Amino acid sequence: EPEVTQTPSHQVTQMGQEVILRCVPISNHLYFYWYRQILGQKVEFLVSFYNNEISEKSEIFDDQFSVERPDGSNFTLKIRSTKLEDSAMYFCASSGRETQYFGPGTRLLVL
Amino acid sequence: AQTVTQSQPEMSVQEAETVTLSCTYDTSENNYYLFWYKQPPSRQMILVIRQEAYKQQNATENRFSVNFQKAAKSFSLKISDSQLGDTAMYFCAFMKLVGNQFYFGTGTSLTVIP
Repeated sequence: EPEVTQTPSHQVTQMGQEVILRCVPISNHLYFYWYRQILGQKVEFLVSFYNNEISEKSEIFDDQFSVERPDGSNFTLKIRSTKLEDSAMYFCASSGRETQYFGPGTRLLVL
Repeated sequence: AQTVTQSQPEMSVQEAETVTLSCTYDTSENNYYLFWYKQPPSRQMILVIRQEAYKQQNATENRFSVNFQKAAKSFSLKISDSQLGDTAMYFCAFMKLVGNQFYFGTGTSLTVIP
C-alpha cells in the first residue's frame, strides 16, 4: 500500500540554523500539506500546496518558512532561521481528493 | 473560522467494552468532511474513519462507527470491542471543501485497560 514518507525521522539543530524537512507524497496525489504538532498540543496546519503553488497557509507559516516541490516526487519544508519554539513534530500529508494521508513525521529539536 | 472541540482530554475503557469519544465543531459551511485520526505512541497519524457531511448515513469501519448529527454539529466516534492496540490519542478533524485545510481538535487520550 502506498504511503507518505518523511526524512529525517529526527533532526537536532542549533537556533538560527536552516533546516530542510523532506517528504515524498503518495505518487498520484495532487495536494500536499505540512502540519506541526508541538509536544502535548494539537496538530496545527501550516500550508497546503497544489499545482506548484501555495494554495493556503496559516498565520504560523511566516517568512521564515517556505515550501518547494523541487522534482516530481519530493516536497520540502524549509525553515530559514530556526527558533526554539520551532521544536515540534512536523507532519507531511498528501491527498488525491479529500482524505489526507500523513507521513510518520519528523521530530525537530532546536537547541 | 472553523473550530473543533474535543471535551474529553482522557478516557479509559476495559478491553472488549465499548467507548464513545465526543467531538463538536463550529462552521458556517454546508458541505465538508469530518475525520477521526488515531495517533499511537509512535506519533504517526492514522486515518480511522471519514464522514461526508452530505451523507446522512453514519460511516462505519469494522469496530469503529460514528454518530454524525449535522444540525447539532456533533461527530462522535464509537469503538466497539476495544482492543489493547486501540490505546492512542484520537483526533477529530474538520475539512472544508475549499483549500482542503484540516482543523484538528485537541485530542482525546484513550487507554484500553486489560
